[in-house]
Amino acid sequence: SAVISQKPSRDICQRGTSLTIQCQVDSQVTMMFWYRQQPGQSLTLIATANQGSEATYESGFVIDKFPISRPNLTFSTLTVSNMSPEDSSIYLCSASTGGNYGYTFGSGTRLTVV
Amino acid sequence: AQTVTQSQPEMSVQEAETVTLSCTYDTSESDYYLFWYKQPPSRQMILVIRQEAYKQQNATENRFSVNFQKAAKSFSLKISDSQLGDAAMYFCANSGSARQLTFGSGTQLTVLP
Repeated sequence: SAVISQKPSRDICQRGTSLTIQCQVDSQVTMMFWYRQQPGQSLTLIATANQGSEATYESGFVIDKFPISRPNLTFSTLTVSNMSPEDSSIYLCSASTGGNYGYTFGSGTRLTVV
Repeated sequence: AQTVTQSQPEMSVQEAETVTLSCTYDTSESDYYLFWYKQPPSRQMILVIRQEAYKQQNATENRFSVNFQKAAKSFSLKISDSQLGDAAMYFCANSGSARQLTFGSGTQLTVLP
C-alpha cells in the first residue's frame, strides 16, 4: 500500500498567521482527503482533494479558511489560514489507493495556536 | 448520509484475554465498506481489518476478526489473545460511493498486564 510523508509533524503558531501542511505519497493516487482531529475526538473530514479540480469541502469548512492544493497525483497541501486557538488540532491527510480497498494515512500534524 | 456509532468510549481487557468492541452504522448505499482503524499515541492511523458489505463471510486478520451483521448494521471487532501493544484508540469507519471515510467516535482500549 501507499506510504504518505506528512510535514510538519508538529508546530506552534501565533494567532492570525497561516500554516501549510504537506503530504507526499510514494505512488500515484486518485483521491486524497484532509481530516481534522480535535483533542480527544474522532476524525472529521475537511475536504476531498482531486487532481485537476477544486477541492470539495464538507459542511462547516470553507476554502478561504482551509485552501487546498493538489497539483499532481502524488502531492497535496492544506493551509490553515488566519489561525485562532480553536484551530489547535491534529490534521491528517489520507489517500485512497483504489476503490475502497485501502486508505493510507499520513502521520498527522499536531498544530497548537497560541 | 452515513453515520457510525461506537457506544463504548473506553474498554479494558486483561492480557491474553478476548475483547469485543461494538460499532453500528447507518447508510443508504448498497455497496459500501467497513473498517476498523487503530490509533496509538503516535497518532498514526493503522488499518486493522476491512469488510466488504457484499461479502457474507466475516473478515479475519490473525488475532482480529469481525462480526458483521448486515441486517442489523452492526460491525463489531473481536481481539483475541490481547497483547499490550493492542492498547490504542480504535475507530470504526464506513466508506461508500463518495470514497470518503466516516468515522465513529472511537473506543479507547486499555490492556492490563
